Amino acid sequence: DGGITQSPKYLFRKEGQNVTLSCEQNLNHDAMYWYRQDPGQGLRLIYYSQIVNDFQKGDIAEGYSVSREKKESFPLTVTSAQKNPTAFYLCASSPTALLYGYTFGSGTRLTVV
Amino acid sequence: GQQVMQIPQYQHVQEGEDFTTYCNSSTTLSNIQWYKQRPGGHPVFLIQLVKSGEVKKQKRLTFQFGEAKKNSSLHITATQTTDVGTYFCAGEGGSEKLVFGKGTKLTVNP
Repeated sequence: DGGITQSPKYLFRKEGQNVTLSCEQNLNHDAMYWYRQDPGQGLRLIYYSQIVNDFQKGDIAEGYSVSREKKESFPLTVTSAQKNPTAFYLCASSPTALLYGYTFGSGTRLTVV
Repeated sequence: GQQVMQIPQYQHVQEGEDFTTYCNSSTTLSNIQWYKQRPGGHPVFLIQLVKSGEVKKQKRLTFQFGEAKKNSSLHITATQTTDVGTYFCAGEGGSEKLVFGKGTKLTVNP
């Protein structure tokens, strides 16, 4: 079955460590996105990519970095510069930007202690 | 920048009652999408509206896009316990990216 795989489901890290969240899709979608979800805050866009080797900052990109070396993969690194990294991170993809609904992965819940 | 406001933030209903959530944008939207997120789950795409005044139905769910393309609503008739979750609207207003509302969390008392 086609879909988006995010791993791991739960992740614990010590403060000051960088951590990379995986996102892989086999839907052949061009566009991929990373969102952060906090209670009562909805979904906030971190980074997005409409094509391989290109990506743009979203509304809350500070403290995060991404790469898009392959169409299928869009990993997100949460760096030590991110002040409040504990959150639920969702990866999504769509065939082309905006024309279709997004398919979301099941998310990674990151806890930094 | 573009903002999408969604009300109410929470709604508790008795099973069988109707439910409506409203979405308002600060700018004219080219399209609006609706998603449902079950407790502990991830958002799932429900529908997209593109045309001014558009109305679409999915069984007990009715979606509307306002004439000015700045607001939208989702109405559920005769709620069931399976409708529990958070409903998000998301709109695009020329920035090439979706802006999500904060969602309406629906709980249903059986």
